[in-house]
Amino acid sequence: ETGVTQTPRHLVMGMTNKKSLKCEQHLGHNAMYWYKQSAKKPLELMFVYNFKEQTENNSVPSRFSPECPNSSHLFLHLHTLQPEDSALYLCASSPTGGRINYGYTFGSGTRLTVV
Amino acid sequence: GDSVTQMEGPVTLSEEACLTINCTYTATGYPSLFWYVQYPGEGLQLLLKATKADDKGSNKGFEATYRKETTSFHLEKGSVQVSDSAVYFCALISNAGGTSYGKLTFGQGTILTVHP
Repeated sequence: ETGVTQTPRHLVMGMTNKKSLKCEQHLGHNAMYWYKQSAKKPLELMFVYNFKEQTENNSVPSRFSPECPNSSHLFLHLHTLQPEDSALYLCASSPTGGRINYGYTFGSGTRLTVV
Repeated sequence: GDSVTQMEGPVTLSEEACLTINCTYTATGYPSLFWYVQYPGEGLQLLLKATKADDKGSNKGFEATYRKETTSFHLEKGSVQVSDSAVYFCALISNAGGTSYGKLTFGQGTILTVHP
C-alpha cells in the first residue's frame, strides 16, 4: 500500500458506457495527477490539480473529464471511449512548496479495457 | 525544457549478475533525481532518490549517485535477483516552471528481466 488508493483495479467498459475512476490519498499532499500508460508508449501526463484547481490539461480529449472535489480525492469520468483508450491509468500525488523534492507517490493503477 | 534519457532496453541478466542502467538528464536549476520501479501489473514505486550533487540514494541493494558534472544518475546493483525483474524509470523534479508542485519528468523506462 503506497498511500494512494485507486479503484477499481480493473475495468472493462463498452464504448457507450459511462464509468468513473477514483483516487484517494491521505498523505497531506496538495497536488494530484492523472497519467496514462499505454503499451510501448511513454507515460503521458493527462491532468494536474493543485489545491483542487486544475492547472494542466495536456490536450486530453473531452471524453475524459476529471474532477477534484478536495485535495484528497480525484476522479476521472469516462464516457464514449474508444478502444485506443485502453491503458493503465495511474493516479499520483505530491507535496508542494519546500517539499517538492520528496517526489510523487503513485497508486497501483486502474487497468482499463474498452470493448 | 527538462529531459531524461535512459539506456534502451530490454536488459536481460542472469541471477547474481551486476546491473547498470544509465541515465542522463538536462535541466535548468538544481533538480532532484529519482528512480522509480514498476513491477508487473503494478503502479510506480519510488526506489531511491538524491536531492543534491554527490548525494547517493540507496534502497534494496540498488544505488545511484547524483553526478552534476556529467549530469548523470546511473542505477547500479551488484547482484540482481529474479524478483528485480521490472521496468525502471529515471526521473527528475524541478521547479523551474514556477509551479509550487514541481514538474516530474520521466525517462522512457528500461525493462529488466532476470533469469534464474
